[in-house]
Amino acid sequence: AQTVTQSQPEMSVQEAETVTLSCTYDTSESDYYLFWYKQPPSRQMILVIRQEAYKQQNATENRFSVNFQKAAKSFSLKISDSQLGDAAMYFCAYRNSPMGNNNDMRFGAGTRLTVKP
Amino acid sequence: NAGVMQNPRHLVRRRGQEARLRCSPMKGHSHVYWYRQLPEEGLKFMVYLQKENIIDESGMPKERFSAEFPKEGPSILRIQQVVRGDSAAYFCASSPGQSNTIYFGEGSWLTVV
Repeated sequence: AQTVTQSQPEMSVQEAETVTLSCTYDTSESDYYLFWYKQPPSRQMILVIRQEAYKQQNATENRFSVNFQKAAKSFSLKISDSQLGDAAMYFCAYRNSPMGNNNDMRFGAGTRLTVKP
Repeated sequence: NAGVMQNPRHLVRRRGQEARLRCSPMKGHSHVYWYRQLPEEGLKFMVYLQKENIIDESGMPKERFSAEFPKEGPSILRIQQVVRGDSAAYFCASSPGQSNTIYFGEGSWLTVV
């Protein structure tokens, strides 16, 4: 079964600085999807960024970008120019392609990001 | 296009009662997923449904929990004879198909007293 590991329970960053959140996963599949979700204090799950495994180019969404290392099974999230509103729990998630088994989405345990003014 | 709608947002039940949580997927989405989040933990997959079919229920507890997604109406997660350990946030998500991103509702908070 696929597993997702986030080794940093908590991280903090100074406002306007850059922070990187780590995520590794374990799979025997070659085609899959990776996601980062943000959960602010409101507890709503908000999609931050998504990466298809077959794409070599790292996904980018404004201040958010990923470093996808397929061979190393690593999928880190970089937040540039951190803002106070970025403070939240961040969850890394994995999902098989439709042709694989277990098409549900698997989540890591989360990293709590604090942004210091 | 309204997002994934869950209700109730907060539900309090006494031990032994039944809890019903409802989820209306986004318009055009035929796939629904239920996840449970215990305090200070990540989301745990429970069940994946398409209209009238359960695709994967490998995360559902064997007893007291059931889910359905009828042809008409919302998906329902039903918990019978609730216990205090069932207290959690239950998130519903939907997608238009298997290969797409899933979008979450705002969650339903169940408290068992």
